[in-house]
Amino acid sequence: DAGVIQSPRHEVTEMGQEVTLRCKPISGHNSLFWYRQTMMRGLELLIYFNNNVPIDDSGMPEDRFSAKMPNASFSTLKIQPSEPRDSAVYFCASSRKRAYNEQFFGPGTRLTVL
Amino acid sequence: AQTVTQSQPEMSVQEAETVTLSCTYDTSESDYYLFWYKQPPSRQMILVIRQEAYKQQNATENRFSVNFQKAAKSFSLKISDSQLGDAAMYFCAYRSAKGAQKLVFGQGTRLTINP
Repeated sequence: DAGVIQSPRHEVTEMGQEVTLRCKPISGHNSLFWYRQTMMRGLELLIYFNNNVPIDDSGMPEDRFSAKMPNASFSTLKIQPSEPRDSAVYFCASSRKRAYNEQFFGPGTRLTVL
Repeated sequence: AQTVTQSQPEMSVQEAETVTLSCTYDTSESDYYLFWYKQPPSRQMILVIRQEAYKQQNATENRFSVNFQKAAKSFSLKISDSQLGDAAMYFCAYRSAKGAQKLVFGQGTRLTINP
């Protein structure tokens, strides 16, 4: 069974550009999470969805960030406009909707904003 | 809000020896789950072991075991017979059993295995 798929794996862009990160969760999983990893702040949750509905977006840093989950097999995280401080590794994870269930992480997208 | 603290930024151990990584957490909840994740240089996050707070018995997975002290809010990871492939960042994480499903991570411990 394929794991969580993220694209692109690496993204280099210039400040002010729009960036879209993509995620395909594991089939049958109904919870999807977006995390960000930086040296300064470590791993932190940005937003998560249950059954395609955003449940907690309190970690989204500001209005420049938006996330959507139009169906059970696809989610996007968009940054517009991007800034150098957005440079980080962005992880998508999915799980079945129970607290004890393991969250399976994708390989991450390394974003560099110049 | 829950917090997770890993007080050891770096640890090293000789191959085949045993090492223990520390983790403490703060919560007012009584029902929750604790996890250790491994992140090798490939940056893939891999679940190592999981502990349910309502279980008194410490979880074990082959060479990996935990020492879960609920009253002390402590959750350490012991790696026995360390192998070169164990070299990685290790993250302790907390997840509420009710309500928020997000993982709250510690800052991580970088483990080096000396041959």
